[in-house]
Amino acid sequence: SAVISQKPSRDICQRGTSLTIQCQVDSQVTMMFWYRQQPGQSLTLIATANQGSEATYESGFVIDKFPISRPNLTFSTLTVSNMSPEDSSIYLCTTLAGGAGDTQYFGPGTRLTVL
Amino acid sequence: GDSVTQMEGPVTLSEEAFLTINCTYTATGYPSLFWYVQYPGEGLQLLLKATKADDKGSNKGFEATYRKETTSFHLEKGSVQVSDSAVYFCALSEGSNDYKLSFGAGTTVTVRA
Repeated sequence: SAVISQKPSRDICQRGTSLTIQCQVDSQVTMMFWYRQQPGQSLTLIATANQGSEATYESGFVIDKFPISRPNLTFSTLTVSNMSPEDSSIYLCTTLAGGAGDTQYFGPGTRLTVL
Repeated sequence: GDSVTQMEGPVTLSEEAFLTINCTYTATGYPSLFWYVQYPGEGLQLLLKATKADDKGSNKGFEATYRKETTSFHLEKGSVQVSDSAVYFCALSEGSNDYKLSFGAGTTVTVRA
């Protein structure tokens, strides 16, 4: 299994500002994913972040709004830019763990509230 | 595209009752199927999984069988406890070279003592 930590665990931000969320994995992993869980809703994939290549965004998500970095095999960041109240969500980092087939492990999430 | 349809909630049960949460899927290939659980105030955890037809995943008294003929992966538990109160998500991934998870809407289960 993989142990994933995220920072910050929660934040309250003002409209128009940006927040960068950090995701750290305790082992080297090829594939990392960022999901969003809006209040009372299921999870939606934002993008796939593989080390050494540009992130791949899902329909409805764009790089200007959600820039992602993946500088090495244990770390990634997601920035939520120019925030609005509609961005209030839990943002989750996940990864595949080697030797566990295609099981994904989830970080604890970052609870973001935009005022 | 791939999708998961999950039984709508909320579901309220008494302790020791039988729980079933229905999940059906649509996929072009041979997906892996998962149940994730989110306990109050906690993050998402893998509950069980199955990677091929007729596989049965099981954990903590929960079971689900991968039924290709009915494209289903229903979650069952024979005797629920108050501690099973949580939100349950059915999910699939097309694992050949794309491990993205597609989630169902989630089912909130409340177990009363």
